[in-house]
Amino acid sequence: DGGITQSPKYLFRKEGQNVTLSCEQNLNHDAMYWYRQDPGQGLRLIYYSQIVNDFQKGDIAEGYSVSREKKESFPLTVTSAQKNPTAFYLCASRARGGGIGQPQHFGDGTRLSIL
Amino acid sequence: EDQVTQSPEALRLQEGESSSLNCSYTVSGLRGLFWYRQDPGKGPEFLFTLYSAGEEKEKERLKATLTKKESFLHITAPKPEDSATYLCAVSPGNYGQNFVFGPGTRLSVLP
Repeated sequence: DGGITQSPKYLFRKEGQNVTLSCEQNLNHDAMYWYRQDPGQGLRLIYYSQIVNDFQKGDIAEGYSVSREKKESFPLTVTSAQKNPTAFYLCASRARGGGIGQPQHFGDGTRLSIL
Repeated sequence: EDQVTQSPEALRLQEGESSSLNCSYTVSGLRGLFWYRQDPGKGPEFLFTLYSAGEEKEKERLKATLTKKESFLHITAPKPEDSATYLCAVSPGNYGQNFVFGPGTRLSVLP
């Protein structure tokens, strides 16, 4: 079945540590996104990529980094510069063709906590 | 600034008690409005896309409608399995493919 796989499901970060969240999709989608979800707030865009080897900052990119070396993969690194990383992280993808009504499709998230 | 608000923040219904959730938006050129369902600890699941005022979409007990400033998600005779958080998102004309999400409405349907 086609879909988006995020791993791990739970992740714990120590002080000063960088951690990487994995996102893989087999939907053949060009665009991929990373969001952060905090209680009572809407999804906030961290980074997005519309094509391999290209990505742009979203609204809250500080303390995060990404890469897009393959169409299927869009890993997110939460660096030690991100002082409040505890949140639920969601990866999404979207087909660029097919018209303006294409929805974003989501993985099942990674919950990151501070040790 | 493009913005999406949702009301109420939380809603408790008895099984079979119909109601509506609201999504109000302010955007520069709406390309599409999207409804998602999110279960605890899971990613959002796509429900509907609406493009223009007057449009309606239905799926089982859910019906989504759209006006120029807001969208409603009507839930008819809900069941406990409809309990979830419902998210609304818009695709503004000047953002290309990027969406703006509302904070969601947390729905609980009691047996």
